[in-house]
Amino acid sequence: QVQLQESGPGLVKPSETLSLTCSVSGDSISDYYWSWLRQPAGKGLEWIGRIYSSGSTKYNPSLKSRVTMSVDMSKNQLSLKLSSVTAADTAVYYCARDNTGVNIVATIIKSYDYFDPWGQGTLVTVSS
Amino acid sequence: SYELTQPPSVSVSPGQTARITCSGYGLPKQYAYWYQQKPGQAPVLVIYKDNERPSGIPERFSGSSSGTTVTLTISGVQAEDEADYYCQSAESSGTYVFGTGTKVTVL
Repeated sequence: QVQLQESGPGLVKPSETLSLTCSVSGDSISDYYWSWLRQPAGKGLEWIGRIYSSGSTKYNPSLKSRVTMSVDMSKNQLSLKLSSVTAADTAVYYCARDNTGVNIVATIIKSYDYFDPWGQGTLVTVSS
Repeated sequence: SYELTQPPSVSVSPGQTARITCSGYGLPKQYAYWYQQKPGQAPVLVIYKDNERPSGIPERFSGSSSGTTVTLTISGVQAEDEADYYCQSAESSGTYVFGTGTKVTVL
C-alpha cells in the first residue's frame, strides 16, 4: 500500500522560496504521475501541478511562473519549490498520486485524472 | 477560469439521504471525482469516474451524472459521514479544478 509523507520547513519568510519534499513508500514512483495540491485554512483545494517520473511537468497557469517540481528516483521522492512567496501562499500542502489514463467505451474516448492516495499534508506559513 | 459550483452546506438526519451537486459546463465531457475531507485530515477519494467506488468505500456512497451536473449521494447517512466534500474534474487544457466544497452536517 503506497504511502506519501510531506516534509519541509513550516515557516518561510515573504519573498523567499518554499521547498517541500514528498517521500513515497510502498511503491516506486516510476511510471506514475504525482501532483502537489494546497489548501489555505478554511478554504478549498487548489491543484499546483504534476510531474511524471520521467520529469515532465504541467503546472497550474496561475502559479506556473513560480513553481518548480522535480523527482529523485534514487530516493523515491518528489520535490516542490515555490518562489517569491507571500502570505497568500500560506496553506497545507499535499502530495498525491495522480491516477491518469484513458477509457474507451464504444467510440467515446474519455480521459480520467484523479488523486489517490494523498499524503497527510504539511502546513507552511509565510511570515516574517 | 473554469469553475465547479457546489452548495455550501447540506444538512441531513441520520439514516436519511444526502445529495450533493456539482455543476460545471465541462462536466459532460470530463469525468467527475468526489473527495471526503474530515477536519484536520487529508482528502479521501470516495467516487471516481462519475460513479465508481474505490475499494474500502461503503456502498452508501454513489455518484451520478446528468448533463452539466454531477451528484454525490450518501444513502443512509451515518454520523461518521459528517465532513466536507469536494468534486473535482479536469479542464480541456489538462489542468485540474476543484469544486467550492460542501459541508455535510448530520443532525
